[in-house]
Amino acid sequence: LAKTTQPISMDSYEGQEVNITCSHNNIATNDYITWYQQFPSQGPRFIIQGYKTKVTNEVASLFIPADRKSSTLSLPRVSLSDTAVYYCLVGGGATNKLIFGTGTLLAVQP
Amino acid sequence: EPEVTQTPSHQVTQMGQEVILRCVPISNHLYFYWYRQILGQKVEFLVSFYNNEISEKSEIFDDQFSVERPDGSNFTLKIRSTKLEDSAMYFCATRGGPINEQFFGPGTRLTVL
Repeated sequence: LAKTTQPISMDSYEGQEVNITCSHNNIATNDYITWYQQFPSQGPRFIIQGYKTKVTNEVASLFIPADRKSSTLSLPRVSLSDTAVYYCLVGGGATNKLIFGTGTLLAVQP
Repeated sequence: EPEVTQTPSHQVTQMGQEVILRCVPISNHLYFYWYRQILGQKVEFLVSFYNNEISEKSEIFDDQFSVERPDGSNFTLKIRSTKLEDSAMYFCATRGGPINEQFFGPGTRLTVL
């Protein structure tokens, strides 16, 4: 499974757009890129998934360049409740097990 | 929105005791998983389960661990003889949505004394 690299932490203020970039240089052809969010003492929550170009849902956007060696999760107008750990995961396959890294701790301040 | 539920929310046990953690998957999902997260550490994959058998398991999932779906609804994780280092949050996840994302339960906090 492709290894991912993302910043350990990021700070932001309420109302700002936050972009978290993840590197995955060894991504395989059949790998998807998936982002999860985790609050303390809770299970991870799916945010968004993509394969290439841009994906948008009601929560976030995911930008994937043509070479797919990186991806950027974009959170528009963050609020205090968006303070959480954000994980970038790359993989796929029949069982689709998820391999979590250390994630990015996003701290949103008022 | 459908959700995965887990019981108990917190389990305290003595070292060497058996524990069973329970999960009720989302009803039309076919793939089931257990993960664990030791306090302050990464979420770790334990095992995946499909069609009433284990699909894949990690090194953590040794002979002390077992999974089953005894009644077609609940999905259980059993630890036969708990060790101190088994203390962690255990998350059940199920898969089967339109883009095959995994839905995680709220977790069971296992404390081994």
